[in-house]
Amino acid sequence: RKEVEQDPGPFNVPEGATVAFNCTYSNSASQSFFWYRQDCRKEPKLLMSVYSSGNEDGRFTAQLNRASQYISLLIRDSKLSDSATYLCVVTSGNTGKLIFGQGTTLQVKP
Amino acid sequence: DGGITQSPKYLFRKEGQNVTLSCEQNLNHDAMYWYRQDPGQGLRLIYYSQIVNDFQKGDIAEGYSVSREKKESFPLTVTSAQKNPTAFYLCASSLRDRSTNEKLFFGSGTQLSVL
Repeated sequence: RKEVEQDPGPFNVPEGATVAFNCTYSNSASQSFFWYRQDCRKEPKLLMSVYSSGNEDGRFTAQLNRASQYISLLIRDSKLSDSATYLCVVTSGNTGKLIFGQGTTLQVKP
Repeated sequence: DGGITQSPKYLFRKEGQNVTLSCEQNLNHDAMYWYRQDPGQGLRLIYYSQIVNDFQKGDIAEGYSVSREKKESFPLTVTSAQKNPTAFYLCASSLRDRSTNEKLFFGSGTQLSVL
């Protein structure tokens, strides 16, 4: 089983739709969680950190469920510019080692 | 502007050839990392360095080598021992080592292909 698992998609949604991605992790000792955005053949960029209490940044909401060991990313009112691959990143237990998921591809259609 | 610069953007390697990917940062970051990304895959750590003149193997170090003679520079050599080098290579840096979960800053990547 992979340490971090994501549904690769692609998720095809119309503009204005709400879409949610989940990411599961296997190490219950993981301490920190992040969502990165990566455009095709570009470098990943930090979208948001994920806190236990959940956090929101504009149209984006991230949540953590430690009991079920997953994190989620919700995007409201999807824009064409949201089309990208979203990478789930989890620190591995006590080492702090960053583990990247394979990414979930989102395609927003007009 | 401060940032992290990778070069070249595209690189081609012949069989049995060693090639070196450049990574330079002017962010005064202590830690630097090299990742490899294959199509439809997440990033896998090749090597990382927390301070000058010191570096550690990541998950897939075989067939690669690095040096950290200067704080600003962390070149990656893909040796002939790496039998499947075709991939997208990303260099990153952070203010402190990753155990403190500092934000990663990435270079724009190098696409390496085998001729």
